[in-house]
Amino acid sequence: AQTVTQSQPEMSVQEAETVTLSCTYDTSESDYYLFWYKQPPSRQMILVIRQEAYKQQNATENRFSVNFQKAAKSFSLKISDSQLGDAAMYFCAYRRYDKIIFGKGTRLHILP
Amino acid sequence: DGGITQSPKYLFRKEGQNVTLSCEQNLNHDAMYWYRQDPGQGLRLIYYSQIVNDFQKGDIAEGYSVSREKKESFPLTVTSAQKNPTAFYLCASSIDPGTGYGYTFGSGTRLTVV
Repeated sequence: AQTVTQSQPEMSVQEAETVTLSCTYDTSESDYYLFWYKQPPSRQMILVIRQEAYKQQNATENRFSVNFQKAAKSFSLKISDSQLGDAAMYFCAYRRYDKIIFGKGTRLHILP
Repeated sequence: DGGITQSPKYLFRKEGQNVTLSCEQNLNHDAMYWYRQDPGQGLRLIYYSQIVNDFQKGDIAEGYSVSREKKESFPLTVTSAQKNPTAFYLCASSIDPGTGYGYTFGSGTRLTVV
């Protein structure tokens, strides 16, 4: 069965600095999709970034980028120029077909 | 605007009672999902449905039931058999279960057993 592991339950970063959140996953498939979701204090889940496994190029969305290492089954999220609004719970997620499997999340604190 | 509506936002239930959480979407999405969120546990899948009148159990289906009579609606009933129902419940939908798109989420329902 597929699993998603986020080894950092909590992290802190100084405002305007860069932070990287780690994620590893386990699958025997070669074609799948990976996501990072953000859950701010409002608890609304927001899609941050999406990566297609068959694409070698790392996805980027403004200040958010990923480091996708398919062989290592690693999918980290880098947040550049951290802002106070980035404070949230971040979930790494995997999708093959019919459902998404989520990691347990990393709580990110932004220090002013 | 298209989206997913969960209601109510907060729900209180007495022990031994069944309660139904509502989830409605106007996105014309085929698939719908229910997740439970507990502190430190991430999101765990309860039930999902890829088509009307069909649904599958997720990882923690015991004590829950669902129906999918309309494409737009996927209500979740928390029965008295669920031993620890206090949690945050999230409903989500997806345009096509066979594609690699992510979910659209509702804003959640916080259920508390009193």
